[in-house]
Formats: sequence, C-alpha cells, structure tokens
Amino acid sequence: EADIYQTPRYLVIGTGKKITLECSQTMGHDKMYWYQQDPGMELHLIHYSYGVNSTEKGDLSSESTVSRIRTEHFPLTLESARPSHTSQYLCASIEQGGEQYFGPGTRLTVT
Amino acid sequence: KNQVEQSPQSLIILEGKNCTLQCNYTVSPFSNLRWYKQDTGRGPVSLTIMTFSENTKSNGRYTATLDADTKQSSLHITASQLSDSASYICVVSDRGSTLGRLYFGRGTQLTVWP
Repeated sequence: EADIYQTPRYLVIGTGKKITLECSQTMGHDKMYWYQQDPGMELHLIHYSYGVNSTEKGDLSSESTVSRIRTEHFPLTLESARPSHTSQYLCASIEQGGEQYFGPGTRLTVT
Repeated sequence: KNQVEQSPQSLIILEGKNCTLQCNYTVSPFSNLRWYKQDTGRGPVSLTIMTFSENTKSNGRYTATLDADTKQSSLHITASQLSDSASYICVVSDRGSTLGRLYFGRGTQLTVWP
C-alpha cells in the first residue's frame, strides 16, 4: 500500500480563484511528479522534482507552479483558475527501484 | 516519435471470462514496461513492471507478457471479476535521461458484467 496522499479529493471553484493542490508522501522518495488527466485520456506530465529545491516543467504546458521545500511535500498552485484547468490532477513518486506510486488524485472543476 | 498505443479502446466481458489487452510501443531506448489498473476517479495502481530481459510476469490473475523485439506487450486477465472493471494503462519508460521518461498509453476501459 503506497503512502501518498492528495487533498482535496474534489474541488469546485470559481474562475479567478487561487488554489493549491496538496500532495505528500511518507516514503522518503526524492522524485515526485504531477500529472494532468482528462477523462478517457492519457496522463500528461506537467511538473516533476528530483528533490528538495528542485522543480522542472513537464511535457504539457501548464499555468500552474510547484514547490519542493520538504522531501515529503510537493504542492501545486494555480494563481488564477480558469475553466480550461478543469481536469484530474495526479501526484506520484518513484522509489529507488523504479516503482511509481500514485496518489488518489484531485478532481478539479472550475466554473 | 515515442508512442504507446493500446487496444482495444474499450472491452466488455462477462464475469468469469478471460481477456487479453494489447500494448504496442515505439519508445527507444527501452527501459521497462508497466501495466497499471486505474479505477474511476482514483490514481493508477501498479500491476506489473517488466524489464528488457523479462518476457512474462504474473500478479495473481493478471499475467503480462513482453516481446521486446516486436515492441509488444499484452495483459491477460483470467477468470474476470466485477472488481476488474477499470482502465488498464500501459506505460513505457526510456533510458534516455536520468528522469527515466514515462510514456503513457490512453488505456483500455474494461467492463465486467455479471
């Protein structure tokens, strides 16, 4: 059982609001990832981190930002939410052996 | 272009029946191939992970095969159960970077009917 958590699980918010999606893992993994997934579509990498104070943008252009101040915590922030940000956001981490663990996801709806 | 293609896109089977899902990839250089199960509204959960030298791996009723020469993999589900209803995602990792870039298929949506 993977110890990776995301909050909130569901969020409905109005356009223009600032939101932060939380992700934390208690496995001590250095590598963490944020993916965006629309219904029935593949996961797209939007941010990743190799460790504390290391963050990079992924393949899919995203208006979100991330931070990695602590190993266990990798929050994602949208400064001004728009309807186009409506999607599911999945956080993941990878252990040394290569196994990737996903959180339960946050389903975001921007009205 | 590195890609992962899965088929069929969706599949409906009766409880107790077997089924096989396909994954073709063009990712190079190849590092490993993973199959994930994703329940609706949840994060993917790993079923199997195979490296270049492995051509079959089982996890309970799930058996994955890999043919690195033809760049094909399959996931066979035996004696399906209602709880097998989910999306099954094939993910291929390359060796081209320290990130171990992951390429995701769109998944096969499996529905098991009673």
